[in-house]
Amino acid sequence: KNEVEQSPQNLTAQEGEFITINCSYSVGISALHWLQQHPGGGIVSLFMLSSGKKKHGRLIATINIQEKHSSLHITASHPRDSAVYICAVRESGSARQLTFGSGTQLTVLP
Amino acid sequence: ETGVTQSPTHLIKTRGQQVTLRCSSQSGHNTVSWYQQALGQGPQFIFQYYREEENGRGNFPPRFSGLQFPNYSSELNVNALELDDSALYLCASSLDLSYGYTFGSGTRLTVV
Repeated sequence: KNEVEQSPQNLTAQEGEFITINCSYSVGISALHWLQQHPGGGIVSLFMLSSGKKKHGRLIATINIQEKHSSLHITASHPRDSAVYICAVRESGSARQLTFGSGTQLTVLP
Repeated sequence: ETGVTQSPTHLIKTRGQQVTLRCSSQSGHNTVSWYQQALGQGPQFIFQYYREEENGRGNFPPRFSGLQFPNYSSELNVNALELDDSALYLCASSLDLSYGYTFGSGTRLTVV
């Protein structure tokens, strides 16, 4: 079993829809990251969370430490949001490396 | 801020050869970590360097080795390349546990 599980693996939405991507993890963590990866490989860090909720533009990330679960929401989705969204955690007490989920491929259709 | 720069962007090598990938950290960042991402999968941690010393390693064989230089740039070396080493290799730099990571765009390695 992977330490970080994401769902769904693939998601297709119509422009304007509200999107939710989920991440569950099985280890104690000091931080959780949401990342965006476009074709070609470059990764952009969207959020780093250790508790609560963060918002940036149309993106919202939440985390429930007790339930070991995080969600990434995209409001008013747009075709330019199409990318792979990856959840990654930094385990408590470890060095600073991240453990990644396998990603969610999001396609937003016009 | 200059971001994280990786070179080369693409590389084709023959099985059994050796390869060196390079990463220039974001200015001021003292920690560099390397990840291998196979097609369709999430990145896997290879190792991490903090102030020129390795301070974490994932489940990769010793033929994967690295260096961090005084300016905090870094190299990933892979000896005796195997076909399964074909992947995107990502470098990420960070300053502190309190901060996030800045990722490079990766080096796409193909072993034939």
